[in-house]
Amino acid sequence: GAVVSQHPSWVICKSGTSVKIECRSLDFQATTMFWYRQFPKQSLMLMATSNEGSKATYEQGVEKDKFLINHASLTLSTLTVTSAHPEDSSFYICSAKGSIVTGELFFGEGSRLTVL
Amino acid sequence: GDSVTQMEGPVTLSEEAFLTINCTYTATGYPSLFWYVQYPGEGLQLLLKATKADDKGSNKGFEATYRKETTSFHLEKGSVQVSDSAVYFCALITNTGNQFYFGTGTSLTVIP
Repeated sequence: GAVVSQHPSWVICKSGTSVKIECRSLDFQATTMFWYRQFPKQSLMLMATSNEGSKATYEQGVEKDKFLINHASLTLSTLTVTSAHPEDSSFYICSAKGSIVTGELFFGEGSRLTVL
Repeated sequence: GDSVTQMEGPVTLSEEAFLTINCTYTATGYPSLFWYVQYPGEGLQLLLKATKADDKGSNKGFEATYRKETTSFHLEKGSVQVSDSAVYFCALITNTGNQFYFGTGTSLTVIP
């Protein structure tokens, strides 16, 4: 099946630094990718939708300047957490909407961010 | 608006017990329905899906039937194993294919 890969799986950073998380579709072209944040009680919060070659669409309440999303190619989207703070510590998951099977989302493995 | 409501957990079962996780949805038109599974420390994986009414999705012993009359897509397994311990998410995609909605997830722990 289609594969979506996230990197890094784990990242620890100091407060005030920026962290970039990559999401790649390995065997298909993903015109649309989604970024989610998963909170401790497992619920998934959609942060933004990124479309290749255009600006991301952010969900209400998500800071655009804090969570920078770039989808520069059909196989890569990046999420940059700028000036990270401890409250940004979370599990971030990307997914891609492929053209292989209509409507199916393929998920990355997730990235655990810990801000000290 | 469209939404997915999933039974709250956590659910704890003994090995070989019968599992049901309820999922109901609200949607206009004819959505496609999915169950995703998340094992500890990992991302989500598609478990099964159904794209139209009365379809039954099945995989790894899990089944779910798309019931339009009751707007439900309950997940069932006849005999759970310890390796089934995970979080299960019910989800739908609208018939326009542009919006995904997830349930809150149900944590399942299977004890030997």
